Amino acid sequence: EVQLVESGGGLVQPGGSLRLSCAASGFTFSNYWMSWVRQAPGKGPEWVANIKHDGSDKYYVDSVKGRFTISRDNAKNSLYLQMNSLRAEDTAVYSCARGGGGVDNWGQGTLVTVSS
Amino acid sequence: DIQMTQSPSSLSASVGDRVTITCRASQGIGNDLAWYQQKPGKAPKRLIYAASNLQSWVPSRFSGSGSGTEFTLTVSSLQPEDFATYYCLQHNTYPRTFGQGTKVEIK
Repeated sequence: EVQLVESGGGLVQPGGSLRLSCAASGFTFSNYWMSWVRQAPGKGPEWVANIKHDGSDKYYVDSVKGRFTISRDNAKNSLYLQMNSLRAEDTAVYSCARGGGGVDNWGQGTLVTVSS
Repeated sequence: DIQMTQSPSSLSASVGDRVTITCRASQGIGNDLAWYQQKPGKAPKRLIYAASNLQSWVPSRFSGSGSGTEFTLTVSSLQPEDFATYYCLQHNTYPRTFGQGTKVEIK
């Protein structure tokens, strides 16, 4: 069974940083693109970033370019999202998802709240 | 960016009704479209991939069709467990973009 478990969310002030982690199990992590998707309270999902199997290609939505960095450690079956210069509009539940396109499995997510 | 316009934004329907949800892309995306179902407090679950292929867990009352710029998700006979919010996602180009969602409520 595919399992994706996110951690690292919390309350952070505007301009602050957080690093999210996603622990993957139940599949061969190194064979898959992986994505981060976020969902602001009461809103629909928004794709944030994805990363190729080996980490050699990464893509981002414009609103996070230069502030967020996606990375992975295939030896640890883990996906990461380093978030810097956080803004109020980054407040959302952040979920990791398997795949780089029509992602097929999502984690439950971790809540990031950006507020003073 | 490709805009995904989903309609309607909400609908009220009865058990047994046929329901159709539409997603229109602002430019052609081939069949690079997925549909998701989300229930309150839960992560979205993929129903359909490549526009018309059902995930193994999805009942046959669900179907997807379309290519290019217009896509539909149809539920042939709505069941109580189908009341949820549905989203489309295009993955033809970057950035990936979702429709704004369709909330299916009980009439």
